[in-house]
Amino acid sequence: AQKVTQAQTEISVVEKEDVTLDCVYETRDTTYYLFWYKQPPSGELVFLIRRNSFDEQNEISGRYSWNFQKSTSSFNFTITASQVVDSAVYFCALKSGGSYIPTFGRGTSLIVHP
Amino acid sequence: SAVISQKPSRDICQRGTSLTIQCQVDSQVTMMFWYRQQPGQSLTLIATANQGSEATYESGFVIDKFPISRPNLTFSTLTVSNMSPEDSSIYLCSVEVAGERETQYFGPGTRLLVL
Repeated sequence: AQKVTQAQTEISVVEKEDVTLDCVYETRDTTYYLFWYKQPPSGELVFLIRRNSFDEQNEISGRYSWNFQKSTSSFNFTITASQVVDSAVYFCALKSGGSYIPTFGRGTSLIVHP
Repeated sequence: SAVISQKPSRDICQRGTSLTIQCQVDSQVTMMFWYRQQPGQSLTLIATANQGSEATYESGFVIDKFPISRPNLTFSTLTVSNMSPEDSSIYLCSVEVAGERETQYFGPGTRLLVL
């Protein structure tokens, strides 16, 4: 069985603050994939990043960075110098065991105030 | 990646009626899926749309309520039948692209409100 936990239901920050969204996963498989998606108020789910279990290298893309740590089964997402446009619900997801169906976390709602 | 469009983008429907949602992709994809997202909730997979055969439904979803078609590799429809207010949700089409088999890309979604 696989499980994704996003313990933070809602985070509220002021523009330019840094914010980290937590994601903890559970799986018995050695091969798996982790994802982050962004869902702005418009409703579309936007793919942000995919990481496979063999690649623990952290990644930075502009103001976004991801910290993958197998030792703690975490795949956290940091937004540096947050902006109002970052306001959205962010979902972490896990796909493992050869399944084509990802398991989604419950999502974290990020509100960035001007 | 893939460019995915859905129609309609939103609709308000009366109880007891049916609505068909269309999903069009700009390239041939290996797999297509339909998800439901109830208000304030995460995503729930309804079914996998199989090209040329019956869709594969997840537990709790049945073909009579959510008939799905996929006549070719780039198009699928989901019908929400005999709607009730509990069907009010965002319905999302998603695809896996050849060469990126592990990543699902999502369409813009269809916001459905049932009165």
